[in-house]
Amino acid sequence: GAGVSQSPRYKVAKRGQDVALRCDPISGHVSLFWYQQALGQGPEFLTYFQNEAQLDKSGLPSDRFFAERPEGSVSTLKIQRTQQEDSAVYLCASGPTGNTDTQYFGPGTRLTVL
Amino acid sequence: ELKVEQNPLFLSMQEGKNYTIYCNYSTTSDRLYWYRQDPGKSLESLFVLLSNGAVKQEGRLMASLDTKARLSTLHITAAVHDLSATYFCAVGTWNNNDMRFGAGTRLTVKP
Repeated sequence: GAGVSQSPRYKVAKRGQDVALRCDPISGHVSLFWYQQALGQGPEFLTYFQNEAQLDKSGLPSDRFFAERPEGSVSTLKIQRTQQEDSAVYLCASGPTGNTDTQYFGPGTRLTVL
Repeated sequence: ELKVEQNPLFLSMQEGKNYTIYCNYSTTSDRLYWYRQDPGKSLESLFVLLSNGAVKQEGRLMASLDTKARLSTLHITAAVHDLSATYFCAVGTWNNNDMRFGAGTRLTVKP
């Protein structure tokens, strides 16, 4: 069966550009999480959706980061006016329930800001 | 604030040897997860531990949880090269959708 997919897999942006990262969760999954993983570090929580509702966005590092999941399926993480410190792998995970017990991670999008 | 510490951060071991990775966390939690990540790949769930004293085993890996000590261990038995990867523990709470990861343990198993 299809797992979590993310696109693009790699993105190079010039500083100041806006980027949009897409996550296609497993069909029917209720919860969707975004994480940021810097090189050599563990993933850090960014935001969480239950269906279309964004229940927790406490991990978003600044107001340049925005996430949406308008129909409770596909999600987009948007970063405005990218900075070099935004360079990281952005991981999406989805789960069949409304908690963190079972998460299936996507392959990630590696963002490099020059 | 919930903090998660793993040690060691780097581990080089020979095939056939045993070793334990430790995961300490700072506040009460009843959910502990172990993940594996291969270079350039995403995270693969290994174990979900949901209660004090929980022990789970899969192949050469065994994970345990002591919620009183706020400690989880991942024990490797008779390591093989295929186990080379980075192992992360993560801690979550029932009412909090946040999950905090440790920094990871990069394991290299040498022949």
